[in-house]
Amino acid sequence: QVQLVQSGAEVKKPGSSVKVSCKASGGTFSNYAFSWVRQTPGQGPEWMGGVIPTFATTNYAQKFQGRVTIIADDSTRTVYMELSSLRSEDTAVYYCATGHCSRTSCYGGGYHFDFWGQGSLVTVSS
Amino acid sequence: DIQMTQSPSSLSASVGDRVTITCRTSQRISTYLNWFQQKPGKAPKLLIFAASSLQSGVPSRFSGSGSGTDFTLTIGSLQPEDFATYYCQQSYITPPTFGQGTKVEIK
Repeated sequence: QVQLVQSGAEVKKPGSSVKVSCKASGGTFSNYAFSWVRQTPGQGPEWMGGVIPTFATTNYAQKFQGRVTIIADDSTRTVYMELSSLRSEDTAVYYCATGHCSRTSCYGGGYHFDFWGQGSLVTVSS
Repeated sequence: DIQMTQSPSSLSASVGDRVTITCRTSQRISTYLNWFQQKPGKAPKLLIFAASSLQSGVPSRFSGSGSGTDFTLTIGSLQPEDFATYYCQQSYITPPTFGQGTKVEIK
């Protein structure tokens, strides 16, 4: 069982960047693939990108390519998501999520959402 | 990207009703289909994985079926705590994609 605890709410100016953290406890960190998913009110979840430590792989959704960076720090069991060039449309709740994906068991596209963080509200406003 | 289409977008039902939600994908995904429940202000919760496998701790009134492009989530007897929004999601290929949601409301 994995527990994910995210950093708190942020208020940012348009054009700036935000960095959100997600600390994992329980389980073996390298046996999981971590994703960042965002959600605006009334909309379905939207996958932004993810990292699979065991394969040293990072993937980004085309929509966010060039604006998002996702990093996994094994030593602190923390995953970070940085989104740059913020605009008002980026106002959303950002979730980290994870599912099992190890060298011995990783199916489908690799990214699964068995466990979720509590969400971090990012507000972009001038 | 694989497109996910859920229907209906919302429904009204009473406690004890049998509820069915459908999800169609834009290409065949075998059984790489998951269902989530989300309540206001909370993160989505995994209910069903691999189209028909019940996640640990999820009540047996929830069931899933389907393969290829057409999938169904069924709630056998709707309970008060089941009023929420439900999403399907494909894990066949990156990027993983979600449906737009089905909101289940009290009649």
